[in-house]
Amino acid sequence: DIVMTQSPLSLPVTPGEPAAISCRSSQSLLHSNGNNYLDWYLQRPGQSPQLLIYLGSNRASGVPDRFSGSGSGTDFTLKISRVEAEDVGVYYCMQPLRTPLTFGPGTKVDIK
Amino acid sequence: EVQLVESGGGLVQPGGSLRLSCAASGFTFSSYWMHWVRQAPGKGLVWVSRINNDGTITSYADSVKGRFTISRDNAKNTLYLQMNSLRAEDTAVYFCARSTYSGSRIDYWGQGALVTVSS
Repeated sequence: DIVMTQSPLSLPVTPGEPAAISCRSSQSLLHSNGNNYLDWYLQRPGQSPQLLIYLGSNRASGVPDRFSGSGSGTDFTLKISRVEAEDVGVYYCMQPLRTPLTFGPGTKVDIK
Repeated sequence: EVQLVESGGGLVQPGGSLRLSCAASGFTFSSYWMHWVRQAPGKGLVWVSRINNDGTITSYADSVKGRFTISRDNAKNTLYLQMNSLRAEDTAVYFCARSTYSGSRIDYWGQGALVTVSS
């Protein structure tokens, strides 16, 4: 199985400041087609997860441009350029490349 | 508008069975792969199973293989998860979710159904 790790696991943030979450996979997520099969999700308190970023760096429909994804192979980063209050919740990375699909442990983002 | 609505959750004794349903609307159900993902209370997301668009290909997490069965009825736009030999560790919110094809992102999630396994 592909093991996903995230850091930090807890991230207190100040509104208006940037934030970054790291995700690493135990195997490369770079496919021969050139795509990195790594997605990011946000689960707000009491809600279902929502897709933020797919294929490593593509913003999902309706996702604000303050969110960006980068990385390749086994190392990926989600960045928020200026945190807003509505960004609090748990962020998960996930690899859909191979079954079983696997998620990172989650990074809890809250306001300082 | 894409909607995924789970039902069938509840309290069941260890060793018992339960069938979850997920009613899909707002998209062409028969064109999409579907998944079940669960979340134990206060814990992270864990993928459980997936099925391809015509129901001929299924995959399972090792923790549920042989006990859970995923299926779909494209005529009824409904996804199912038959859960047998339930254990306390199966207690979780079960989310129904869709993806376009094998390896593609999960782009929509239902609101979840709570399954509690307890005596």
